[in-house]
Amino acid sequence: NAGVTQTPKFRILKIGQSMTLQCTQDMNHNYMYWYRQDPGMGLKLIYYSVGAGITDKGEVPNGYNVSRSTTEDFPLRLELAAPSQTSVYFCASSYSASGGDNIQYFGAGTRLSVL
Amino acid sequence: AQRVTQPEKLLSVFKGAPVELKCNYSYSGSPELFWYVQYSRQRLQLLLRHISRESIKGFTADLNKGETSFHLKKPFAQEEDSAMYYCALKSGSGNTGKLIFGQGTTLQVKP
Repeated sequence: NAGVTQTPKFRILKIGQSMTLQCTQDMNHNYMYWYRQDPGMGLKLIYYSVGAGITDKGEVPNGYNVSRSTTEDFPLRLELAAPSQTSVYFCASSYSASGGDNIQYFGAGTRLSVL
Repeated sequence: AQRVTQPEKLLSVFKGAPVELKCNYSYSGSPELFWYVQYSRQRLQLLLRHISRESIKGFTADLNKGETSFHLKKPFAQEEDSAMYYCALKSGSGNTGKLIFGQGTTLQVKP
């Protein structure tokens, strides 16, 4: 049971380059989330999705885009990488938004450096 | 505004000492709170949540609405408790499951 899988684990980008961070889950979870983790800042929500075809902005969406064409996949796109996007990115999923099943399960993270 | 504050970036204790990781929140309504933990080289994972009123790995957390706090406590710290701990609040805006995280506290348990 793989859970939430993120690729790549590490990446170095040059300013202005673009890339897609992949996230896939095999738990049939409806809800998926992208966070960034900066030192001393905790996790900030970038985008989220409550189901296939539905996405919405989180707290820090600028410079990112997402899509959710299937229940399993929730890729995060950086179009024009900037040094401010240097961070560790986490994808998470949950079965429900409330009640006993609203536990979020996290991927191992992608460490991104923009130079 | 909905907010979670963890005032300590680093908490260092000796093995066997009591531990209290502080978490304060700002929320109008009935909050739903969680503690997540990230051990070295492991994924962020749920430790406990207030609705379950459970004790996990000897940790407990009580919701105090008067003081708007959800502090994490353990009477006797172990070296394997060393990790980053995040307090999180479920966002009240819509049924989205969004979490608002605190800044995190690194717990260091010394032998």
